[in-house]
Amino acid sequence: QQQVKQSPQSLIVQKGGISIINCAYENTAFDYFPWYQQFPGKGPALLIAIRPDVSEKKEGRFTISFNKSAKQFSLHIMDSQPGDSATYFCAASRQGGYQKVTFGIGTKLQVIP
Amino acid sequence: NAGVTQTPKFQVLKTGQSMTLQCAQDMNHNSMYWYRQDPGMGLRLIYYSASEGTTDKGEVPNGYNVSRLNKREFSLRLESAAPSQTSVYFCASSELRGANSPLHFGNGTRLTVT
Repeated sequence: QQQVKQSPQSLIVQKGGISIINCAYENTAFDYFPWYQQFPGKGPALLIAIRPDVSEKKEGRFTISFNKSAKQFSLHIMDSQPGDSATYFCAASRQGGYQKVTFGIGTKLQVIP
Repeated sequence: NAGVTQTPKFQVLKTGQSMTLQCAQDMNHNSMYWYRQDPGMGLRLIYYSASEGTTDKGEVPNGYNVSRLNKREFSLRLESAAPSQTSVYFCASSELRGANSPLHFGNGTRLTVT
């Protein structure tokens, strides 16, 4: 059972364009939605995260949009750069006695000059 | 500050062999995790340790065992490796504050089982 569905699996964007990655979740108990960025040969690293009490969060060129009623959230990368080429994972978790994170399958982004 | 350190970086095993993947963190985090990453399947949790002295199964625990040796170290053992365990394994850690906090990952161990 895939609790966090991510699309597309791969994405090619021209330099300067907007990259958009979408995720949908099923468990309404999730209350923390991070995005992780992974470069080849490295582990994932937290990029940006949002909680369901806000509809949008922006950090530089990266923006998360969150739609609680639709149980969907997305990552927008504005003015995409070749250095943004990486695999992006959306994730979801819920507060409790421990933190257990459920990841999407990942999106491999390639930004071409 | 090294963060999360995993050893070895690469390993090739034959079916039936055993090995232990090592992980250590220097951030004084309470919680530690083992994930495997496979193409088209994302990151799947194998085992986690919410705090020193406790371990619990994740999504795909079969064929693996873990040991939380102390607060810093969390090892993953394959007793009898199988080709289906060919994967990239990531260790991660996080603080446990009663609120969500980010996972800090190591750079992975690429394991091939022939």
